[in-house]
Amino acid sequence: DAKTTQPTSMDCAEGRAANLPCNHSTISGNEYVYWYRQIHSQGPQYIIHGLKNNETNEMASLIITEDRKSSTLILPHATLRDTAVYYCIVRVPWYALNFGKGTSLLVTP
Amino acid sequence: SAVISQKPSRDICQRGTSLTIQCQVDSQVTMMFWYRQQPGQSLTLIATANQGSEATYESGFVIDKFPISRPNLTFSTLTVSNMSPEDSSIYLCSVESGLAADTQYFGPGTRLTVL
Repeated sequence: DAKTTQPTSMDCAEGRAANLPCNHSTISGNEYVYWYRQIHSQGPQYIIHGLKNNETNEMASLIITEDRKSSTLILPHATLRDTAVYYCIVRVPWYALNFGKGTSLLVTP
Repeated sequence: SAVISQKPSRDICQRGTSLTIQCQVDSQVTMMFWYRQQPGQSLTLIATANQGSEATYESGFVIDKFPISRPNLTFSTLTVSNMSPEDSSIYLCSVESGLAADTQYFGPGTRLTVL
């Protein structure tokens, strides 16, 4: 699996958009970009994934650069409950997820 | 998405004993995975469990220490054998569901403390 690089931590004010970057410069053509989050040692929660097109669901938007070497997860209106560790993972579907250290996002009042 | 439950949710065990963790899914799934999360660390894959075949273990994990069963498409168990305090971790199962565009979903985890 390709390796990803994420900032260790980020802060965001409540109500503002949280933009979490991820670099995956060695991504292969058949690898998708997945985002998960983990709130206080609960099981990781799936957020969104994409191959090359931008994706949006009820939780977030995923912006993937044209060369696919980086992506950004956008939480449009962050709330205190979005405080969590966010993991960016690249993988081929049906294979195990290779978790890195992720980004610890703190949403402040 | 698949609904996954794990039993027990937490346990405190004595050194040298074994604990079996159950993972139950509300629908049939092809692939199940077991992960470990040590205190303050990220998740590490222990093994992949497919129904009808032997589990495939990652480097550093062996069947004698972490035997896995996968008797059907909705259930799996992970046993942590001959436990030591270093086994204190959160153990998580996850499933890959083709019905959800090849997305992997996680159970709530089992928090194990070994004294």
